[in-house]
Order: sequence, then C-alpha cells, then structure tokens
Amino acid sequence: DAKTTQPPSMDCAEGRAANLPCNHSTISGNEYVYWYRQIHSQGPQYIIHGLKNNETNEMASLIITEDRKSSTLILPHATLRDTAVYYCIVRVYNQGGKLIFGQGTELSVKP
Amino acid sequence: SAVISQKPSRDICQRGTSLTIQCQVDSQVTMMFWYRQQPGQSLTLIATANQGSEATYESGFVIDKFPISRPNLTFSTLTVSNMSPEDSSIYLCSGLRGYGYTFGSGTRLTVV
Repeated sequence: DAKTTQPPSMDCAEGRAANLPCNHSTISGNEYVYWYRQIHSQGPQYIIHGLKNNETNEMASLIITEDRKSSTLILPHATLRDTAVYYCIVRVYNQGGKLIFGQGTELSVKP
Repeated sequence: SAVISQKPSRDICQRGTSLTIQCQVDSQVTMMFWYRQQPGQSLTLIATANQGSEATYESGFVIDKFPISRPNLTFSTLTVSNMSPEDSSIYLCSGLRGYGYTFGSGTRLTVV
C-alpha cells in the first residue's frame, strides 16, 4: 500500500493561504490521491481528490507533481474554522478501493 | 454524496459485553469500511465489507472480535465482542460510491 508522509503540524495566519504538503513516493500510476480533514474527532470530511492533473473545487486546490510523488493541498484563504487534522491518502487500487489513513497534519489557523 | 447515519453516537459498556454499531446509508454504496480511532490517533482500517460476502479484515483484526454484517447495499453493522478497556475508541463507518467516500459521525465507545 502506498504510504504518505505529512508534517505533523503547521500554523497558518487567518486569511492567508495554507499549503499542506504530502509525499507519496511509492504511488502507482492508477492510484488516486485523496484529502480529508477531521475536526474534533467528527467523521472525516471530504476535501478533494485527483489522479495526475491539478484539481480545484470550492474548498481547495490540489497540486500534484508531474512525477506524482508528492502533492500539495491549498486552502486559498484560511479561516479559524479550517483548524483541523488534514489527511493525505492514496486510494489502494483493487482491494475494494480502501483508504489507508496516515498520521495527518494538524493545521492551526491563528488570528 | 451519500449520507450515513451511525448509531449509537456514544456508549459506556461493561467489560466482557458486546456492542453492535449500525450504519445506514441513504443511498446504495458499493463498499463499506469500518475504522477504529484510538484517542489522539489516526484512523485504522478494521475491515472492508462487501454485500453478500464475508468481510475482509486488516492485519491485527479478526472476525471473532469484530464480526461484521452487510446484508444489503445500504446497511452494515460492526460488533465489538468481549470488550475490554483497550477497546475504548471511536468507531467509524464509511461508504464508497463511485470515487466518493462518505463517513459516519462515529461511535464513541468507553469500556469500564
């Protein structure tokens, strides 16, 4: 299973962009990268996912490097409500498409 | 995306007893997954549940301890059997439809 590596914690000033990095050097060509976040031990919330192209939705942008070995989640204008643990996950191909969570990055957005 | 109702939301149980957690999805999902989240930790996958077949368990988890039922495409249960204080965790279910994964809000279990 492709393993992801994320920094354990990051700070970001309110209103600024939050850039969360993720390394997934063993990713296979048909495995997607997913980002979820979890606030106060609630159920994880979907943010975005992608295969090889950059993706953007109303919450965030996902930048995947050309070799697909790393990616960056961008929250363009972080708010205090974006304080959460952010998980970068590589979806396992076959095996039912299970998601294996790593340790995540605890993002603190500060006023 | 699908919406998952998980219950109970929390429970306090005596050691040696069993608790069954239910997840109901508002629409059909292909796969369902059960996770455990120990205090201060990330989510650990317990098993993958496919309708009509036995669940596939991850290393370190066994059917006798965590039996799973998946009778149809919108419902699944996880039982935590013969509980001990080490089973105190949050248990979450997840459903997959297409490329979208939805999570339940979790069951906070305390074993005393």
